[in-house]
Amino acid sequence: DGGITQSPKYLFRKEGQNVTLSCEQNLNHDAMYWYRQDPGQGLRLIYYSQIVNDFQKGDIAEGYSVSREKKESFPLTVTSAQKNPTAFYLCASSNGGQGSNGELFFGEGSRLTVL
Amino acid sequence: DAKTTQPPSMDCAEGRAANLPCNHSTISGNEYVYWYRQIHSQGPQYIIHGLKNNETNEMASLIITEDRKSSTLILPHATLRDTAVYYCIVRWKMGGTSYGKLTFGQGTILTVHP
Repeated sequence: DGGITQSPKYLFRKEGQNVTLSCEQNLNHDAMYWYRQDPGQGLRLIYYSQIVNDFQKGDIAEGYSVSREKKESFPLTVTSAQKNPTAFYLCASSNGGQGSNGELFFGEGSRLTVL
Repeated sequence: DAKTTQPPSMDCAEGRAANLPCNHSTISGNEYVYWYRQIHSQGPQYIIHGLKNNETNEMASLIITEDRKSSTLILPHATLRDTAVYYCIVRWKMGGTSYGKLTFGQGTILTVHP
């Protein structure tokens, strides 16, 4: 079945460690997004990519990095520079082609806890 | 992107219609109204979107006022599984292929009671 797969679902890390969250989609979508969600809050955009080998910062990019070497993959690295990394991370993709409605399809999320 | 205002929470009895309001008084001509919902600890799910005409699909109806400054999402027969956070978002679209960012506010927590 087509969809978005995020892994791992749960992740623990020690302070000062970098961690990479995986996001893979087989929907053939051009655009991919990373959001962060804190308890009781809405989603905040970290990075997005509208095409392979290109990406833009969202509203809260500091302390994060991404790459888009393949259309189907958009990994997010949470670096040690991110001061409050404990959060729920959501990846999404969309097809921005002609006639599309711009709907975002979300993965199930990755919950990162810094110990 | 225009900002939206939603009530923080609402209740609804099972089987009744749930009407969720959203204000977007600064919406511009090329901005669409999108609705998503998020069930606890899952990724948001698309519900419906519209520009200026009322829209209906298998999940819900979207009523947009004539001046486009507010809208209402209607779940015609709410069930317990409709308990979720509902987000109203405005997002620009140009040329049929370019979209603005999707910015989520805090949404409305809808609780459906038996």
